[in-house]
Amino acid sequence: AQTVTQSQPEMSVQEAETVTLSCTYDTSESDYYLFWYKQPPSRQMILVIRQEAYKQQNATENRFSVNFQKAAKSFSLKISDSQLGDAAMYFCAYRSARNNFGNEKLTFGTGTRLTIIP
Amino acid sequence: DTAVSQTPKYLVTQMGNDKSIKCEQNLGHDTMYWYKQDSKKFLKIMFSYNNKELIINETVPNRFSPKSPDKAHLNLHINSLELGDSAVYFCASSQEPGDYQPQHFGDGTRLSIL
Repeated sequence: AQTVTQSQPEMSVQEAETVTLSCTYDTSESDYYLFWYKQPPSRQMILVIRQEAYKQQNATENRFSVNFQKAAKSFSLKISDSQLGDAAMYFCAYRSARNNFGNEKLTFGTGTRLTIIP
Repeated sequence: DTAVSQTPKYLVTQMGNDKSIKCEQNLGHDTMYWYKQDSKKFLKIMFSYNNKELIINETVPNRFSPKSPDKAHLNLHINSLELGDSAVYFCASSQEPGDYQPQHFGDGTRLSIL
């Protein structure tokens, strides 16, 4: 079974600075997908960024980028130019790329609460 | 237009009662899910359905019974509610199988058992 570990329960960053959230995972599969979801106080689950394991290039979405290290099974999220609206719980998630039913579930880490200091 | 909508958003009830949470998606997806987020914010899959058929049942007590009348709806009925059922329940949907599409989540239903 796959596991996802987020070792930082809480992080804080000064507004406009850069912060990196850590995520490691354990799997015996070679092909999979990794995600970062954001959960603000409103409780919504918002997809921030995703990475396909077969792609060597790190995904980027505006101020959000990942550092994907497949051999190390590491998937960190970097938020540049932090804004007050970035304050939220951030969840790392894993999904198998095996294309048959039963593998589509997301396995989540325990989350990191990010606070933005004005 | 809300893509994945859940009702109600809040549900407060007493131990031993039976309650239902409804979920509808208008994205045309054929796979829907229920996830449970506990008091420590941990999210875990409970069920998934594809075209009204149960695919994943992740060792959930049989007091929980999902029902999918059509591929756009997945409801969750819970019998004999217990204190430990207090949580936020999220519905989600995606298009499966095939080239991967992300899961879209509803806003969650906070269930509080008194």
